[in-house]
Amino acid sequence: EDQVTQSPEALRLQEGESSSLNCSYTVSGLRGLFWYRQDPGKGPEFLFTLYSAGEEKEKERLKATLTKKESFLHITAPKPEDSATYLCAPLLNKLTFGTGTQLKVEL
Amino acid sequence: DSGVTQTPKHLITATGQRVTLRCSPRSGDLSVYWYQQSLDQGLQFLIQYYNGEERAKGNILERFSAQQFPDLHSELNLSSLELGDSALYFCASSPRSTQNYGYTFGSGTRLTVV
Repeated sequence: EDQVTQSPEALRLQEGESSSLNCSYTVSGLRGLFWYRQDPGKGPEFLFTLYSAGEEKEKERLKATLTKKESFLHITAPKPEDSATYLCAPLLNKLTFGTGTQLKVEL
Repeated sequence: DSGVTQTPKHLITATGQRVTLRCSPRSGDLSVYWYQQSLDQGLQFLIQYYNGEERAKGNILERFSAQQFPDLHSELNLSSLELGDSALYFCASSPRSTQNYGYTFGSGTRLTVV
């Protein structure tokens, strides 16, 4: 069965303290991978799509990378407004979401 | 505003009842997806419709059903409700059926079964 694991489950950073979130998966037939951001009580907001190993995408303080078995979301010099749950979703025959990393950035 | 509209935003109902959740996709999008999000299980894919036809099915209970109408809006029907059905229900849309594009999510319907 296809599995998606995100780590850590929760992460607390000081403002400006860079870090990385991990999304690993045991799937076959990967067609792409999505990253989403979700604020409490709201719908997920699309961030990136990655289609092939070695691909990288950037948006403001976020950079997503992809290998054959995992993806990383790097957060550089985060700010409090980056606090949210970050979800990854490998695209197979359907979009399967991980349970997310809950990020809290403090002043 | 993402362009995907879900109504109602909140719904409180009793066990055994039936409810209907509604979703209007973003203009031009032909695919609609329904997801359930509960605290202990994350986002679970329920079902996808493309241009009025069922395209993919996930972990949708037999008590749940959905349809997509000619104007492309979709409804998710939940019947014989149980306490465990309390969750956030999200609708998402995308312009293509192959799922190779980011989905746009609505703001969800929070269902509470008492």
